[in-house]
Formats: sequence, C-alpha cells, structure tokens
Amino acid sequence: ETGVTQTPRHLVMGMTNKKSLKCEQHLGHNAMYWYKQSAKKPLELMFVYSLEERVENNSVPSRFSPECPNSSHLFLHLHTLQPEDSALYLCASSQGWRGVYEQYFGPGTRLTVT
Amino acid sequence: DAKTTQPNSMESNEEEPVHLPCNHSTISGTDYIHWYRQLPSQGPEYVIHGLTSNVNNRMASLAIAEDRKSSTLILHRATLRDAAVYYCIKRGGADGLTFGKGTHLIIQP
Repeated sequence: ETGVTQTPRHLVMGMTNKKSLKCEQHLGHNAMYWYKQSAKKPLELMFVYSLEERVENNSVPSRFSPECPNSSHLFLHLHTLQPEDSALYLCASSQGWRGVYEQYFGPGTRLTVT
Repeated sequence: DAKTTQPNSMESNEEEPVHLPCNHSTISGTDYIHWYRQLPSQGPEYVIHGLTSNVNNRMASLAIAEDRKSSTLILHRATLRDAAVYYCIKRGGADGLTFGKGTHLIIQP
C-alpha cells in the first residue's frame, strides 16, 4: 500500500465512449503525475501537476484530458480513444516536482479499448 | 532517450547480495539518481535515490561513483520477492521520471 489509490482497476470501453480515471493520494504531496505503460514499452510520462497547475504535457493527444481539482486528486478524462490506447495507466505523487523527491505510484488502471 | 544504460537482465541466487549497475555518463551536477522497481502486474515502487554520497535505506544501498557517471544498486540479501524489473533514472529539475527498459532481475531459489 503506497498511499496512492486508483479507480477503476480495470476498464473496457468502446472507441466512442467517454470515461474517466481517478487517482487519489493520501500522502499530503503537492505534485501528481500520469504515466502510460503499453505492452513491451517503457513507462511514458503523460502529464505533471504541481499545486494543481499543469507543469508538463508530453505531447499527449487531446483525447486524453487531465484534471487536478486539488492536490489530492487527479483525473484523466478519456474520449474517442483508439485501440492502441489500450495500456496500463499509472498515477504517481511526490512531495514536490523536482529531482530530489521520490515518487509513489498507484496500482494502475488496466484500460482496454475495443 | 532513457539517458541511462543498464544490463537487460541479471540473475542471482537467493540470500546472496546483488549488485545492479547503471551508467549515466551525461549526468549534470543537479541530477539525482533514482532507482525504482516494478513487480509483475504492479505499479513501480520507489527503492532509493541519491545525489553524490552513498545512501542506505531498509530496502537497499546505493553506491555512487566519485565522478557520478555510474552507480550501483545493492540488494544485500536477495529474496524471491526481489525478482522484478529495476529502473535506474537520472532526474534533474522539474520533470517526471524518464523510464528506460531497466534490468530484469531473476532470483534463483
């Protein structure tokens, strides 16, 4: 148990659906992250939020829309996804967003797009 | 560009020490060296990190070369639960973690 929870743990959605992934951290951290892990590929950073402000967007398609309403919650809104978007989506948090701080990861949401 | 170089896989025996190497020759003065590991079907788990001096915690030790261009993660007494992919990451300022392919550690009973 890392103090970072993600729901749902598994999600199957069609290409025309709209769904949201939720992440919550109970560690009092100020920075939160979304990562994507596709089969047989390294984890890819998608978004970074610090104190609810987006500080990094790694050229992610607009069909992925993040939202950080407060420092404890992070959402990833999904719409009109493609089958190649099927992956494990991981949320992480850290005390701050600089290199000195370690990150704590949630268990991930396994997304399948049909 | 993962910015670090690690062996694809390593094998060790249970209850023996394991030394996982990492090269980061392009490291800058403000870059920290982070290690994470990922067990099958789980999210990555923080192991240890450091800047210049060697570091110890309950999970492992991190030995950093004097020129900081390489480091070694040391598991003092490996168990079967330590079998995982280990990632060495060079992390500077305001960005997330850039993961490479890591080292797949196999522990033999």
